[in-house]
Amino acid sequence: TQLLKQSPQFLSIQEGENLTVYCNSSSVFSSLQWYRQEPGEGPVLLVTVVTGGEVKKLKRLTFQFGDARKDSSLHITAAQTGDTGLYLCAGTQNTNAGKSTFGDGTTLTVKP
Amino acid sequence: EAQVTQNPRYLITVTGKKLTVTCSQNMNHEYMSWYRQDPGLGLRQIYYSMNVEVTDKGDVPEGYKVSRKEKRNFPLILESPSPNQTSLYFCASSLSVTGSFGYTFGSGTRLTVV
Repeated sequence: TQLLKQSPQFLSIQEGENLTVYCNSSSVFSSLQWYRQEPGEGPVLLVTVVTGGEVKKLKRLTFQFGDARKDSSLHITAAQTGDTGLYLCAGTQNTNAGKSTFGDGTTLTVKP
Repeated sequence: EAQVTQNPRYLITVTGKKLTVTCSQNMNHEYMSWYRQDPGLGLRQIYYSMNVEVTDKGDVPEGYKVSRKEKRNFPLILESPSPNQTSLYFCASSLSVTGSFGYTFGSGTRLTVV
């Protein structure tokens, strides 16, 4: 059972377009992270959100944690070719300290 | 440079031949963890450690062993590798003792068991 479901699974857009990636669950998470992974490399942490309703911005990337802490979204404004990669969400729960769950990922391709 | 170092990056071995993948971090992190990444299955946690001499099972621990004798090292041991353990493996560490503030990942070890 996949605790964290990401959508869409694949996304191909033109440079300059906006996009949103979703990470949904029926479970509550105490914290949720977003990572970007390039082929042949480990995931790189983009952001951690811990408070329901929290919004964080990282340049052209905006991350939001749902009010109920069951879902999150990643919005990219004016995508660039350098944004291409696999985006992963991951969550931890208070009931299982130390254990982490990853979403199945969204593969983003930004075409010039 | 703050980093998690895994070795080797690539490994091809035969069924049943014991192997160890090393992982070391230089950030004095309490928390370390191992994951495997397979197409269509995403990243799955194998084992994690919240402190020296403390290790716990993740979601897919069968066929693996770990040890945490010192803070910086967290080796992954496959006592008798099988072809279904062919995968891309990642070690990660975290400043937070539960890992809840996010991880720093190594560059990965691609293991093939024939």
